[in-house]
Amino acid sequence: DAKTTQPTSMDCAEGRAANLPCNHSTISGNEYVYWYRQIHSQGPQYIIHGLKNNETNEMASLIITEDRKSSTLILPHATLRDTAVYYCIVRVEAGANNLFFGTGTRLTVIP
Amino acid sequence: GAVVSQHPSRVICKSGTSVKIECRSLDFQATTMFWYRQFPKQSLMLMATSNEGSKATYEQGVEKDKFLINHASLTLSTLTVTSAHPEDSSFYICSAQKPAGTPYEQYFGPGTRLTVT
Repeated sequence: DAKTTQPTSMDCAEGRAANLPCNHSTISGNEYVYWYRQIHSQGPQYIIHGLKNNETNEMASLIITEDRKSSTLILPHATLRDTAVYYCIVRVEAGANNLFFGTGTRLTVIP
Repeated sequence: GAVVSQHPSRVICKSGTSVKIECRSLDFQATTMFWYRQFPKQSLMLMATSNEGSKATYEQGVEKDKFLINHASLTLSTLTVTSAHPEDSSFYICSAQKPAGTPYEQYFGPGTRLTVT
């Protein structure tokens, strides 16, 4: 699986949009971009994933650049409960393959 | 939804004893489960891949005789830490994989915090 690069930490004001970037310049054509988050002392939680089109669900939006070398996870209205470590992972979708967790971005939502 | 449970949520044991951690997929069948370990302020590290009815595949550096994995049914995998030592103290997390075809097929349990004294 391709490696990803994320900022170590970010702050966001409560109620504002949180934009979390991820670089994955070596991504292959059959690899998807997945986002998970881990709230302190809990298991990771799936957020969203995409291949090349932008995606949106009830939790977030995922914007993938046209060359697919980077993406941005957007939490439209951050709340204190969104404080967590966010992991950007690229992997092929099919098959029994594990998720490789890098260091992620620690997002702190500030009141 | 898809729910994965772990039991116990936290356990304290004495050095030299063994501890068993259970991972269950409550509302789906999981042919594959993964076991991760997470030390404080570090990311998740894969320990092993568990396939129902067959032997687990361990990552490099993980002792298979120390971390015994059993995946006897499609909804249950167990991790037994044998002869535990203080350095085994960690947060152990399992994930269960839905059959291929679903978009986000891995679901994580809440984790088990092991403290070895």
